[in-house]
Amino acid sequence: QKEVEQDPGPLSVPEGAIVSLNCTYSNSAFQYFMWYRQYSRKGPELLMYTYSSGNKEDGRFTAQVDKSSKYISLFIRDSQPSDSATYLCASLNAGGTSYGKLTFGQGTILTVHP
Amino acid sequence: DGGITQSPKYLFRKEGQNVTLSCEQNLNHDAMYWYRQDPGQGLRLIYYSQIVNDFQKGDIAEGYSVSREKKESFPLTVTSAQKNPTAFYLCASSITGSRPTNTEAFFGQGTRLTVV
Repeated sequence: QKEVEQDPGPLSVPEGAIVSLNCTYSNSAFQYFMWYRQYSRKGPELLMYTYSSGNKEDGRFTAQVDKSSKYISLFIRDSQPSDSATYLCASLNAGGTSYGKLTFGQGTILTVHP
Repeated sequence: DGGITQSPKYLFRKEGQNVTLSCEQNLNHDAMYWYRQDPGQGLRLIYYSQIVNDFQKGDIAEGYSVSREKKESFPLTVTSAQKNPTAFYLCASSITGSRPTNTEAFFGQGTRLTVV
């Protein structure tokens, strides 16, 4: 079982839709959670970063963490064609022998069509 | 400009040859990482280093080697023992994860390695 599981999609939505991207993780030592966006043939760029359970908003993006169920989500409101990319969730191990290890999900390919 | 530089952007290698991918950062970050990305696989961790002269194996370290002689440099060698080396390789760096506000990982633009 992978430590971070993410549905690879692909996911196709119309412009203006609300997009929900989800990941689950299995390692309780994961304490920090991130969402990255990756355009084709480019390196990933950080979108959102969260530490505690709850919601964090940044413009059209909301990151949600539920540590009790080991579930992390990213919501995109009023989606735009420019949001079309691969979205990767990531978790950082903050304890034990794997301290500092950053683990990614498989990535979800999102297409927003006009 | 601060950032991470990977070179070369494209690399071709003959079967049986070792090849080294370069990763340099001027962000004064302690931690550096190497990932491999294949279609449908996401990013898989090859090696990571939290401090100079120390590194840890990731999930798919077989057939790869690294060194961390300087804080700003973390080269990856793909050896002939790596059976399927054709992939997109990404290097990243971050401040160590001891404080929650400093765990952002910055990525280079990647090196696409093709074995011919």
